[in-house]
Amino acid sequence: QSALTQPASVSGSPGQSITISCTGTSSDVGGYYYVSWYQQHPGKAPKLMIYDVSNRPSGISNRFSGSKSGNTASLTISGLQAEDEADYYCSSYTSSNTDVFGTGTKVTVL
Amino acid sequence: QVQLVQSGAEVRKPGSSVKVSCKASGGTVSNYVITWVRQAPGQGLEWMGEIIPILGTANYAQKFQGRVTSTADESTSTAYMELSNLRSDDTAMYYCARDMSNTAAFDIWGQGTMVTVSS
Repeated sequence: QSALTQPASVSGSPGQSITISCTGTSSDVGGYYYVSWYQQHPGKAPKLMIYDVSNRPSGISNRFSGSKSGNTASLTISGLQAEDEADYYCSSYTSSNTDVFGTGTKVTVL
Repeated sequence: QVQLVQSGAEVRKPGSSVKVSCKASGGTVSNYVITWVRQAPGQGLEWMGEIIPILGTANYAQKFQGRVTSTADESTSTAYMELSNLRSDDTAMYYCARDMSNTAAFDIWGQGTMVTVSS
């Protein structure tokens, strides 16, 4: 199972919106509504930000939103804040009854 | 609220095995999928496998088939991941995580266990 493809880096100024893409195949992202997004700060465990494509766990800001079109899922962060600077990973369930992560995206707040 | 507490850092020689534990405190993980994820230094997250403690069934990434074994002890709410035939590129932080709905949604994570493989 190959890792899902994400851009290596995305940047934006405070207050702006950014979007991170996560591209897979019809055997993972395109085949199921089981895409999640994680935020990871240096030295910390990942934190679930979005699950089942567009659902936010309790306590997650509504500045974070998710969507999917075909084999590509997206995470949008609106009203970018300094604390959003971190690495972001997508994950998806696959047709092999396994899960797979994306390659990861470093978000920089300018 | 359930917390996952992992065992401490390990140092192993190439060719040996390591067993990492993941204990649920404040609740049980029996009815959930427990997933194992690793992250090599400076690298991304890698899904290794999972176990459903109440069923005792496990599922692994093809890359680790034959080298990894996930088990669980319901009586102590503890899951285990054993990786054998260790190589230097197995040096990584190993995390356990709860899959809240068996849909690749890992909502509770352990603090991580650093495994270093060095001769």
